[in-house]
Amino acid sequence: AQKVTQAQTEISVVEKEDVTLDCVYETRDTTYYLFWYKQPPSGELVFLIRRNSFDEQNEISGRYSWNFQKSTSSFNFTITASQVVDSAVYFCALTIWAPSGSARQLTFGSGTQLTVLP
Amino acid sequence: DGGITQSPKYLFRKEGQNVTLSCEQNLNHDAMYWYRQDPGQGLRLIYYSQIVNDFQKGDIAEGYSVSREKKESFPLTVTSAQKNPTAFYLCASSTREWNTIYFGEGSWLTVV
Repeated sequence: AQKVTQAQTEISVVEKEDVTLDCVYETRDTTYYLFWYKQPPSGELVFLIRRNSFDEQNEISGRYSWNFQKSTSSFNFTITASQVVDSAVYFCALTIWAPSGSARQLTFGSGTQLTVLP
Repeated sequence: DGGITQSPKYLFRKEGQNVTLSCEQNLNHDAMYWYRQDPGQGLRLIYYSQIVNDFQKGDIAEGYSVSREKKESFPLTVTSAQKNPTAFYLCASSTREWNTIYFGEGSWLTVV
């Protein structure tokens, strides 16, 4: 069985501060995919990034960056120079590899509520 | 624009009633999913469907039913057997090859 742990329930920062959201996962499978989703107050889950287990390169996209480390089973997410619009719940999720044509089942963490204060 | 449409956004149900939540996608995705989210918690899988006329139970299927008569549509019925139905329900879809799941805007169900 898979498990995703987001130990930080709530984080508050002041605008322009950097913030890192932690994600630790557990799986016995060697091929898997990790995701980050953003859930603004409107409720929709917005896809941010997907990373497969064979690609440990860190990624930067604008103010967002992700640090994937298989050695510690972590996939942390950093927002640089945070903005009020970044306020949302952020979810880390995991799915194991499945043959083409099979549905993907995501295992979610419990989420981190990020509040960016002006 | 392509996307996943859920309706209604807000729904109130009396105890003992069945209600159906609609989910339609025009992304030409084969797989569709229903998740439930409770306050302060992550998402839990209710049902999923890989192809038309086929679906499987997820982790919390009891008290729910689904159908998949068309590729674009995957409605969820919350039956009176679901003892604690008040929650936020999210529909999602994915392609066969792409390992990313996209979500709709969700539906809030409240039992009154």
